[in-house]
Formats: sequence, C-alpha cells, structure tokens
Amino acid sequence: EAQVTQNPRYLITVTGKKLTVTCSQNMNHEYMSWYRQDPGLGLRQIYYSMNVEVTDKGDVPEGYKVSRKEKRNFPLILESPSPNQTSLYFCASSLSTASYEQYFGPGTRLTVT
Amino acid sequence: GENVEQHPSTLSVQEGDSAVIKCTYSDSASNYFPWYKQELGKRPQLIIDIRSNVGEKKDQRIAVTLNKTAKHFSLHITETQPEDSAVYFCAAKRNNNDMRFGAGTRLTVKP
Repeated sequence: EAQVTQNPRYLITVTGKKLTVTCSQNMNHEYMSWYRQDPGLGLRQIYYSMNVEVTDKGDVPEGYKVSRKEKRNFPLILESPSPNQTSLYFCASSLSTASYEQYFGPGTRLTVT
Repeated sequence: GENVEQHPSTLSVQEGDSAVIKCTYSDSASNYFPWYKQELGKRPQLIIDIRSNVGEKKDQRIAVTLNKTAKHFSLHITETQPEDSAVYFCAAKRNNNDMRFGAGTRLTVKP
C-alpha cells in the first residue's frame, strides 16, 4: 500500500531534550516536506526537500533540522525543543515537485513541557 | 515571501446549498494552487488543484477558479452534503517549490 508513515504518533517531552520524528514514504517520491499545524494558523512549511541531499527552508525553519540521505526518508530533528514547538506535525511527499498532489502522513502530536 | 489569506474562517450552510471559500496570494510568481480537505483528526487530502495557465477547473460538485490578475482563487462546492463538513485549506506554490497554506475554513453543512 502506497503511504507516508511517521513515528512516533504522539510524543511528550521536556525542554531541551533532543528528539527526532521519522518520516518514510514508499512511493519513490522525490519531493518531501514537513509542516506544523497550529490552531488558527493553518499548515506552515518547516523544510522541504527536492531530492536526496537537497533541502531548503520553508516558512518556519527556526529550531528544526532535517536531512535527506535516502530518497524514502526525511527525518525532522529538534535539537533543543522548546514549549513553542508544541504542535501537530505532518510529513508529506509528492512525485517530483510541490506542483503535484502531496500525500500526507498521519501526523505526530508533540508536546514540549 | 508568499502570503496566503483565506476567508471566511468559518462557514455554515444548509444541506443542498453552495459554499464558496476565497483565497488571495501575494507572490505573482506562484503557479500552482491546491485545495486540501481535512476531516476531524485526519490528515489533509487533496480535493482539487489548478495551475496558473488555467482559469477554472471542475470535478463533479467541486470547482476552483483562478484570477491571476487579481491574485485570488476560490473553491466552490455545490449541493453540499453533511460529509462535506471539514476544514478546507487553500495553498499556493512558488517557483522555488515552497508551499504556503491559508489558515483554513471550517465548513459545517447542516442537515
């Protein structure tokens, strides 16, 4: 089944404790992206990647890192999480650029205390 | 950078009526405009999209119109049904492939 998976689905952590949210797709998509969703603000793009070893900042990249060492994986790294990073995070992928349907993962609800 | 504004933030209609959601964007280089539907507790899913070389696109009860001169695009849902109730997001993609979303519209269709 074609899908985007994220892990973990739920995470409660403390300020400053490094964490990684994994994202994987099995559709051989070149484009992958991370968004955060907050009430009243919609979806805001954090980082995106056009292909392996190519990543770019989105709208709200501060406090986040990403890597794209393999085509299928696009992990999101929070080196020192803070409470303002409490949010619902979605990973998405699309065929070759953002000009195609983006398939979203199930979401990761992160709480930073 | 690109700004996408979406109105209204909430919309309530009677079943069978039409619903219209409007978005404006600021970057004239934006060239792809998708609409996503997000049901409660679920992930966003694409319902329709339009590229900058097209003025209108229709898929059954859903249509999208694009006015490049005015930099706005709209989602039209006709003959609404209770299962259309959800949050709808518009988005605009720039040449560099970053994607900006509107803040969302919560649509409620009353039976």
